[in-house]
Amino acid sequence: DADVTQTPRNRITKTGKRIMLECSQTKGHDRMYWYRQDPGLGLRLIYYSFDVKDINKGEISDGYSVSRQAQAKFSLSLESAIPNQTALYFCATSGRLAQTNTGELFFGEGSRLTVL
Amino acid sequence: AQSVTQLGSHVSVSEGALVLLRCNYSSSVPPYLFWYVQYPNQGLQLLLKYTTGATLVKGINGFEAEFKKSETSFHLTKPSAHMSDAAEYFCAVSRAGAGSYQLTFGKGTKLSVIP
Repeated sequence: DADVTQTPRNRITKTGKRIMLECSQTKGHDRMYWYRQDPGLGLRLIYYSFDVKDINKGEISDGYSVSRQAQAKFSLSLESAIPNQTALYFCATSGRLAQTNTGELFFGEGSRLTVL
Repeated sequence: AQSVTQLGSHVSVSEGALVLLRCNYSSSVPPYLFWYVQYPNQGLQLLLKYTTGATLVKGINGFEAEFKKSETSFHLTKPSAHMSDAAEYFCAVSRAGAGSYQLTFGKGTKLSVIP
């Protein structure tokens, strides 16, 4: 089984709908991240969380919200989806500074979202 | 602030030829540097990383990269390309010594291998 699991893997929705992407991890990491990938733009950070009580905006947080339900679970919501949120979304985790950690991220397999 | 520039969004090489993917970074503190690979319809996986110590870093699948501080570069190389190397490659930098780590990614280079 994958260490970082994302659901759904693929989703097609309509403009204005609420969408939630879920991420769970079995790596025991404290830190979780949501990235968005667009062709030619690389990966851009949406939100990140260093523990259950700590949520931080990334560079492109507008139109998104997150919830850290537990150490192992981090969900991304689009309250009212719009077509330019069509993208591939990745969840990632990393360990805490006190652990063996150089900032390396461990990625899920991605959730492809299409907003019509 | 930190940033990453990958030169060339697409690179094509013949099978058996040298692979060279270029990455330059900017960072106000000593960086940690990474190369990730993304195969079609998959997530990103770590190829190799530089933290401290030896500047020539070896990774998986025969890839290696050299950290050159004077050139602020971390180019990825492989002596002989294989068809299975066709993928997108991302260079990334994180801030060393910070209380937290955030990776900044380049825009990616798509590698095509021609038979």
